[in-house]
Amino acid sequence: GESVGLHLPTLSVQEGDNSIINCAYSNSASDYFIWYKQESGKGPQFIIDIRSNMDKRQGQRVTVLLNKTVKHLSLQIAATQPGDSAVYFCAERKESEKLVFGKGTKLTVNP
Amino acid sequence: NAGVTQTPKFQVLKTGQSMTLQCAQDMNHEYMSWYRQDPGMGLRLIHYSVGAGITDQGEVPNGYNVSRSTTEDFPLRLLSAAPSQTSVYFCASSPYFYLDQPQHFGDGTRLSIL
Repeated sequence: GESVGLHLPTLSVQEGDNSIINCAYSNSASDYFIWYKQESGKGPQFIIDIRSNMDKRQGQRVTVLLNKTVKHLSLQIAATQPGDSAVYFCAERKESEKLVFGKGTKLTVNP
Repeated sequence: NAGVTQTPKFQVLKTGQSMTLQCAQDMNHEYMSWYRQDPGMGLRLIHYSVGAGITDQGEVPNGYNVSRSTTEDFPLRLLSAAPSQTSVYFCASSPYFYLDQPQHFGDGTRLSIL
């Protein structure tokens, strides 16, 4: 079946660097995508979303890029801080269907 | 604003016991859902509800029951606990199922079945 996946299970960066977390999706009919952050012992926390009629969306220190041609989603975090250390999930949704979650990438920020 | 509240936070059960995981939201959201999270498996949907009185099965419904008598509450029942149900359980809600809106999650119930 179709599923959302991630290229790398772990990512380690230095404090102050920019982070890029990648996500590949296989359902070309998906039209809504979400990034979540999950800290240890907590539930997933919404970061940013994007619809398929956009290819870029910016938030506070975060940017999501969507490349529908290669079915790729990425989350860019500017000036990564120790508080950004967490597991990051992407999720996809086809219209009127349920969200499908990826397995997550663990981001570690080194001081 | 409490958001999504799950109780208990931790629970240990013996095989064959039953229990109810509670979930409540104070955002007047119509859509609520239950997920389980296992290492390397991501979040898998157990049951969901698009509104009071309406429930449906997700990806992994076996061994679990739900009901939705009010908009605020969506309890998950384990009828006869099995070791395979050891997991972290998350409840989530969003305003409407059919709109593109993110789900808000509780902080989870960590359940161990011995």
